[in-house]
Order: sequence, then C-alpha cells, then structure tokens
Amino acid sequence: DTAVSQTPKYLVTQMGNDKSIKCEQNLGHDTMYWYKQDSKKFLKIMFSYNNKELIINETVPNRFSPKSPDKAHLNLHINSLELGDSAVYFCASCSRGRAGRDTQYFGPGTRLTVL
Amino acid sequence: AQSVAQPEDQVNVAEGNPLTVKCTYSVSGNPYLFWYVQYPNRGLQFLLKYITGDNLVKGSYGFEAEFNKSQTSFHLKKPSALVSDSALYFCAVRDENTGFQKLVFGTGTRLLVSP
Repeated sequence: DTAVSQTPKYLVTQMGNDKSIKCEQNLGHDTMYWYKQDSKKFLKIMFSYNNKELIINETVPNRFSPKSPDKAHLNLHINSLELGDSAVYFCASCSRGRAGRDTQYFGPGTRLTVL
Repeated sequence: AQSVAQPEDQVNVAEGNPLTVKCTYSVSGNPYLFWYVQYPNRGLQFLLKYITGDNLVKGSYGFEAEFNKSQTSFHLKKPSALVSDSALYFCAVRDENTGFQKLVFGTGTRLLVSP
C-alpha cells in the first residue's frame, strides 16, 4: 500500500489557469507538508499543517492556498499559474509527537509544467 | 536559523569502492539529522537519521553516517558502492528547538557509480 500518494503525477497547463494537486497519507500521521523542488533540484518547504491547522507558511505567494479537509489529506490549490511555478511539488507527512524526532515520508511528486 | 551545506555537486566513484557524501550543518540547539535519496523521477526515500546516542548510524541499503558534533558534520558513507546507488542524495537538518518540525535540506549531491 502506498504510504503517501499524490495526484496527478504530471500536470501540464497554460499560464493563468487554476489547478489543484491532492495528497493523501495512510500512515496515521498528524502533520503534512508541501515542498517545492525547482529545476536545480533545490527543495524548499512551502506549508505545513498539523491536525488541519496551518503551522508553517514560508513566504509563498498567496496564489498558493493549501487546504486540509482532514488529517490524512492536504491539497494545494494554485491560482493564476505563472511560468515560474513550473516545478516538482512533493507532499510529505510526519508524526508531530516525540519532540520532532520522527521521519518525514514523501510522496512521489507532481511535476507541474506551465506553458 | 538552521542550515545545511553539501559542498559537492557530484561525487564519482567506481563500483566496489567506498563512497562518502559530505554534509555539514548549522543549528542553534541540538540537531536532528537526516539523509534522503532521490532516484530519477521519483520521490525522496528516507535512508537514515541521527537523533541522539551512538554517533554512527546505520540505515537502508548498507548506508551509514557518522555524526561529528565538533565538526558539525554528518557524512554519508558506504563501504562498497553499487551502480544502483547512483542517485541524488539530500542531507537535511531539524533544530530540536524548532517547534514545528521544519526540515531544511541541503542542495543535494549527485552520486555517480561507474561499473
């Protein structure tokens, strides 16, 4: 069984469109993340939710809006897509307990291409 | 603020030889250190972590890493490299004082193992 899954795997769209990426984890974790990996493979955190509450928001344009309907899901909606949004977006999850010692587990990624 | 440096963009090693991928970190408190591997067009896979205890940590696929507090390093090692180890390796750090489990990644090191 897939631990952290993302849909879609590939997303090709035109500038100015609005799109969503979905993430689901079946690990029973209470904390989920979105990361962006750029063309140079640099990986940077965007958002984190704990028990449906936003706890990390890293200077991301407000065109990006995460939504967590429940602990197992964290979706990312992007409005007015721009060329610079082209990247691979990774979802991850973790258990917040044990003073932050737990491992983050990553999904397979969603490759977003904005034309 | 926490940070991670991976000084080598690429490491080349012949199959059967030992390999080392370097990582140094900077945190204000005690570090929690992680290594992840990314194969082409795949998500990040967890290899190993150091939280506390023995400075030599053993992980998946025969990899190990040594925590050195005085040198603020956490180098990844393997006694005998395989061609299948060729991938992108990321070191990451979390400061124990970071309440929201923010993980900061290095820029990645590409490992190429030649037959």
